[in-house]
Amino acid sequence: EAGVTQFPSHSVIEKGQTVTLRCDPISGHDNLYWYRRVMGKEIKFLLHFVKESKQDESGMPNNRFLAERTGGTYSTLKVQPAELEDSGVYFCASSQYAGPTEAFFGQGTRLTVV
Amino acid sequence: GDSVTQMEGPVTLSEEAFLTINCTYTATGYPSLFWYVQYPGEGLQLLLKATKADDKGSNKGFEATYRKETTSFHLEKGSVQVSDSAVYFCALPISGGYNKLIFGAGTRLAVHP
Repeated sequence: EAGVTQFPSHSVIEKGQTVTLRCDPISGHDNLYWYRRVMGKEIKFLLHFVKESKQDESGMPNNRFLAERTGGTYSTLKVQPAELEDSGVYFCASSQYAGPTEAFFGQGTRLTVV
Repeated sequence: GDSVTQMEGPVTLSEEAFLTINCTYTATGYPSLFWYVQYPGEGLQLLLKATKADDKGSNKGFEATYRKETTSFHLEKGSVQVSDSAVYFCALPISGGYNKLIFGAGTRLAVHP
């Protein structure tokens, strides 16, 4: 069974540009989460989808970040325009149920804004 | 609010050495506690968990005991291997929201032959 897949694995963009990160969850997993780790610090929750609906987006830092999950399958996280402080590793996770112990994480996308 | 504090790394050990990575937490009530691991080039994996006080989680030779009196969940392994080199994260679910995890800052472990 394929795990959670994230694309790209690494992205380097200039300040002010737009970047879109993609997450393909495990098939059949209704719950999808985004997290990020900035500057080697804590991994912080960004948001949670249940199917195509945003269940909780309380961790989204500002309106430069837009997450979508059309059709309840894969999800995208767009940063527009990117700022230097957005650099970090963005993790996606999916789970069949809503409990955190059931969540499976992807390998992360390392975003570098220069 | 809820929080997790981990010892800072990196931790560098020789093979077969004893490992302790400290983790303390602040939380409302008695949440489940987790250790996640990220091996080089891979995603986060759940290493072990404990769901109530005095529970001991264990996996792959690693152990951690849920100590509510000291609000701690220290990770230990009696004899580390080079393959244990990774970043380790202590975590707990946010009070009232089982869909959100709070992670510590992570501790990088490097094991040398």
